[in-house]
Amino acid sequence: GAGVSQSPSNKVTEKGKDVELRCDPISGHTALYWYRQSLGQGLEFLIYFQGNSAPDKSGLPSDRFSAERTGGSVSTLTIQRTQQEDSAVYLCASSSLAGAVLGSGANVLTFGAGSRLTVL
Amino acid sequence: LAKTTQPISMDSYEGQEVNITCSHNNIATNDYITWYQQFPSQGPRFIIQGYKTKVTNEVASLFIPADRKSSTLSLPRVSLSDTAVYYCLVGDRDGYNKLIFGAGTRLAVHP
Repeated sequence: GAGVSQSPSNKVTEKGKDVELRCDPISGHTALYWYRQSLGQGLEFLIYFQGNSAPDKSGLPSDRFSAERTGGSVSTLTIQRTQQEDSAVYLCASSSLAGAVLGSGANVLTFGAGSRLTVL
Repeated sequence: LAKTTQPISMDSYEGQEVNITCSHNNIATNDYITWYQQFPSQGPRFIIQGYKTKVTNEVASLFIPADRKSSTLSLPRVSLSDTAVYYCLVGDRDGYNKLIFGAGTRLAVHP
């Protein structure tokens, strides 16, 4: 696609419910990142994918959080048994790593608009 | 991983030049410096990237001293629409790594 697409754009759920957030990266982008941003705060790194593999999951806040990526494309971030402190905007970004491959720069991230999660 | 430090907030007026400095004392040889801009209710977007000396594009300039332990984003003649949060990010050219954003600098441009 032309940009990084995230869905849903807004999700309101009740405490204890499970939610799934989807990220559709730019076609051909091999790297995919998930961040969380609470109101008025900076970006908190959650996880990144190198193809379908997630080399570092240490950023996930708890074992209620999981993420997967299939076919080197779409990624899903799942939050089980949601808590009120999970309320935030979840941002996805992808990168082609073209600059890095060519030796002309580090990867540049293209972000989606985010999924705003509200846990009541 | 190189940690970055930026001022929390800055104020400016329309038409002025704004310089935002980022400290990254433990930057590695392979690391590049990238700046992003974020407007409310939007994801961050790329502004500029550099490795050393000076880089300029249609939006901003990036100044990096020889020791590369800091960098300065320069926005010429800011307008109200430049009000945003600006993030400095350090990452290596290998690409595959966890990219940690700092707290960012909240720039407010006044009439």
